[in-house]
Amino acid sequence: AQSVTQLGSHVSVSEGALVLLRCNYSSSVPPYLFWYVQYPNQGLQLLLKYTTGATLVKGINGFEAEFKKSETSFHLTKPSAHMSDAAEYFCAVTLLPGGYNKLIFGAGTRLAVHP
Amino acid sequence: KAGVTQTPRYLIKTRGQQVTLSCSPISGHRSVSWYQQTPGQGLQFLFEYFSETQRNKGNFPGRFSGRQFSNSRSEMNVSTLELGDSALYLCASSLIRGPEGETQYFGPGTRLLVL
Repeated sequence: AQSVTQLGSHVSVSEGALVLLRCNYSSSVPPYLFWYVQYPNQGLQLLLKYTTGATLVKGINGFEAEFKKSETSFHLTKPSAHMSDAAEYFCAVTLLPGGYNKLIFGAGTRLAVHP
Repeated sequence: KAGVTQTPRYLIKTRGQQVTLSCSPISGHRSVSWYQQTPGQGLQFLFEYFSETQRNKGNFPGRFSGRQFSNSRSEMNVSTLELGDSALYLCASSLIRGPEGETQYFGPGTRLLVL
């Protein structure tokens, strides 16, 4: 079965430190890949996505992710964490063909940022 | 441009009742998807509608149904509610230009509590 694995349900970093959230997928065909963020009591906000083209994708709020087909990974990074980055982050894929906007989500990683 | 709106935001029902949730997509968006979010199962895809047709469906029992109207607004219905249906129900809309893979924009969700 196709799946998305996020390594680490909780990640804690210091303010100003590097943020690295890991995501691996299983699919015989490279899917479309997404990172979403969810703040408490809110819906999901798109951070960035990869469909085709350049494998290093830049998103909002200073986040970026790199698609590595050989490693089936799409890890999310940010050079310097800010307190406002504390939230839950979800990696998701749309499988091709026939995905029709069916997002398959990972279990999520809750990011804590401490002073 | 207004975002995705969902009504109601909060709902309390008792077992055995039925419930209807509503979603208004971003103006011009023709695809609407529904997701269920629970602490135990995470984010799970329910179904996706495009031009009033269900194109994709997740692994949920027949008690979960949906529809889309000609103005792209969508409703989902859950009949014979069970305690396990307590969840945050998220709606997402997207602008379909190709067959798939568009960015989905999420609403704030409807939090359903079944007693």
